[in-house]
Amino acid sequence: DTEVTQTPKHLVMGMTNKKSLKCEQHMGHRAMYWYKQKAKKPPELMFVYSYEKLSINESVPSRFSPECPNSSLLNLHLHALQPEDSALYLCASSQDSGDRVPPYEQYFGPGTRLTVT
Amino acid sequence: GEDVEQSLFLSVREGDSSVINCTYTDSSSTYLYWYKQEPGAGLQLLTYIFSNMDMKQDQRLTVLLNKKDKHLSLRIADTQTGDSAIYFCAEYSGAGSYQLTFGKGTKLSVIP
Repeated sequence: DTEVTQTPKHLVMGMTNKKSLKCEQHMGHRAMYWYKQKAKKPPELMFVYSYEKLSINESVPSRFSPECPNSSLLNLHLHALQPEDSALYLCASSQDSGDRVPPYEQYFGPGTRLTVT
Repeated sequence: GEDVEQSLFLSVREGDSSVINCTYTDSSSTYLYWYKQEPGAGLQLLTYIFSNMDMKQDQRLTVLLNKKDKHLSLRIADTQTGDSAIYFCAEYSGAGSYQLTFGKGTKLSVIP
């Protein structure tokens, strides 16, 4: 099973709302990622969790708050977003590079299409 | 710094072969990947190649790597309309890093 699932598929939220995006994988991967993708652009890395600990934060504004409750789940909490935050949010997982078991390919979920009004 | 370049568009006729090209600058790249993204969907891993390989074949897909020129290509044989998508080349620099550096993506259009 190489599936990464994400919910919801679509989300429309106002600038004062609080919402959460969810991601789940059951491949035993210990690295999980959040990416943001704007139309006609490649994905941009936001956060990386390694063994449930935040490993990389690519200078993401604090209105995005990641959480990794366990090794299979990854959440992204959203609060006070701006219209320019509208994008496709992709979750991915991989073996952890610290485990030194290549090739570390990342498996992506289908994404959550977020619209901020 | 790291950079991955791809041409933005490619148009082919159904049944022909497609060749999507990619160049990269990081000589320490250890793995190179090809991802496919259909409209409104996530990225699907198609294949990868390790930097000590020259070629990898997987059914209709052939990946060629010229490490000297830092050039990677993906050949799709007998291209079908279902192959229409954006194809991203990505490089991974090695252990201890989580970063994939993506190209801008090549939009493949297949003409019936």
